[in-house]
Amino acid sequence: GESVGLHLPTLSVQEGDNSIINCAYSNSASDYFIWYKQESGKGPQFIIDIRSNMDKRQGQRVTVLLNKTVKHLSLQIAATQPGDSAVYFCAETRNTGGFKTIFGAGTRLFVKA
Amino acid sequence: EAQVTQNPRYLITVTGKKLTVTCSQNMNHEYMSWYRQDPGLGLRQIYYSMNVEVTDKGDVPEGYKVSRKEKRNFPLILESPSPNQTSLYFCASSYGPRDEQYFGPGTRLTVT
Repeated sequence: GESVGLHLPTLSVQEGDNSIINCAYSNSASDYFIWYKQESGKGPQFIIDIRSNMDKRQGQRVTVLLNKTVKHLSLQIAATQPGDSAVYFCAETRNTGGFKTIFGAGTRLFVKA
Repeated sequence: EAQVTQNPRYLITVTGKKLTVTCSQNMNHEYMSWYRQDPGLGLRQIYYSMNVEVTDKGDVPEGYKVSRKEKRNFPLILESPSPNQTSLYFCASSYGPRDEQYFGPGTRLTVT
C-alpha cells in the first residue's frame, strides 16, 4: 500500500557536519508534512513542519525541503551535535475525506564525536 | 504544564482480558490519535478523533476501539487482546490534523 518511506534506515555523521535525512511519500492527497525526533524511551517530539504550498522552511539549525514533483521530503540539520542522535520520523497528513497521519519507518542518526 | 498523559505506562496481561489505556490532554486540542510502534515499522495510526464524538479509523484499527466523550480524554480499548497487540502505544493530540502533535510518554503493553 501507499506509505511514507525512507531512503536510508541509519545515518552516521561526524559532529559538526551537516546531516540530511530523506523521506519519500506516494499520496498526492497529502498536504501537510512534519518531522519528529524520538529519543530512546520517549515519545516523538516536533522538529519542523511544512505545508504543501511551500517548498522550504527553516528553523533553528534545521531546514525542511519539499519536492512535490517527485514526492520527496528532506530534513537538513546544520552543525550536527551529539544531542541530535535519535530516530527521525517524517509524517504526512493525508486528506482523503478524513485526516489520517502516516509515519515513515524512521532513520536512526548517529553522531560521532 | 501542557502535556499528554497516558496510563498505565506498563501493562502485562493475558489473551482475552479486556483492558483500557487512558489518554488525557490539557491543551484543549481537538485532534487526538492513538498509534502503535513496532520495531522497523515506525508509528502506525490506530484511530483518530477530530473532536468530541467524532472518531475515525487509522491504518490499523482491527482489534481496537476508542471513544471521545470529552474533549480532553481519548481512551483506547482492547476488548479481547491478543499477543499480536503486544506493542508500544502512544497517544497524541494537536489543535488540528495539520498541526504538530504532542505525544504522551507511551504505554508498553505485553499480551501473553
